[in-house]
Amino acid sequence: LAKTTQPISMDSYEGQEVNITCSHNNIATNDYITWYQQFPSQGPRFIIQGYKTKVTNEVASLFIPADRKSSTLSLPRVSLSDTAVYYCLVGAPNQGGKLIFGQGTELSVKP
Amino acid sequence: SAVISQKPSRDICQRGTSLTIQCQVDSQVTMMFWYRQQPGQSLTLIATANQGSEATYESGFVIDKFPISRPNLTFSTLTVSNMSPEDSSIYLCSVEDRGRGRGSYNEQFFGPGTRLTVL
Repeated sequence: LAKTTQPISMDSYEGQEVNITCSHNNIATNDYITWYQQFPSQGPRFIIQGYKTKVTNEVASLFIPADRKSSTLSLPRVSLSDTAVYYCLVGAPNQGGKLIFGQGTELSVKP
Repeated sequence: SAVISQKPSRDICQRGTSLTIQCQVDSQVTMMFWYRQQPGQSLTLIATANQGSEATYESGFVIDKFPISRPNLTFSTLTVSNMSPEDSSIYLCSVEDRGRGRGSYNEQFFGPGTRLTVL
């Protein structure tokens, strides 16, 4: 399973765009990239998933370069409620559904 | 999304005792998973629990310590046996329910967790 590397923590202010980059140099051909968000005292929640190029939903955008060795989660105009830990995961459909969580990035949004 | 509940939400236990954590899902799902999250740490997968078969444990976790039941497609239990302070963690269950998610696959829905403190 491909290992992921993310910054341990990031600080931002309300209204700013936040970009969290994840490195996954050993990503395999069948692997997808998925991001989860975890608020304090809650279980993680799925944010976005992609295979290549760009994916956008109502919460975030995910940018994946052509070599797929990294990905960037972009949160537009963050608010205080976006303070959470963000996990980048890499995996393929044949893993039996297992999710392997890395250390995650603790995002702190300040007023 | 799938709705998952866990009981108890938290507990304080004495060392040497056991605690059984329940996980209930609002729909039938094939795959259920149990994770542990130690204070300030990321999640670690304990085991995969599929109905009708023995749970599959990850490296470092054994059935004698963490017995799991999966009697039907909406329910599972995890028991933390012979507890020690090192077992103090949050225990989370999750399910994969592709029909109700936005991801292509591997989208899991997590319960709120059970916060266990062992004295």
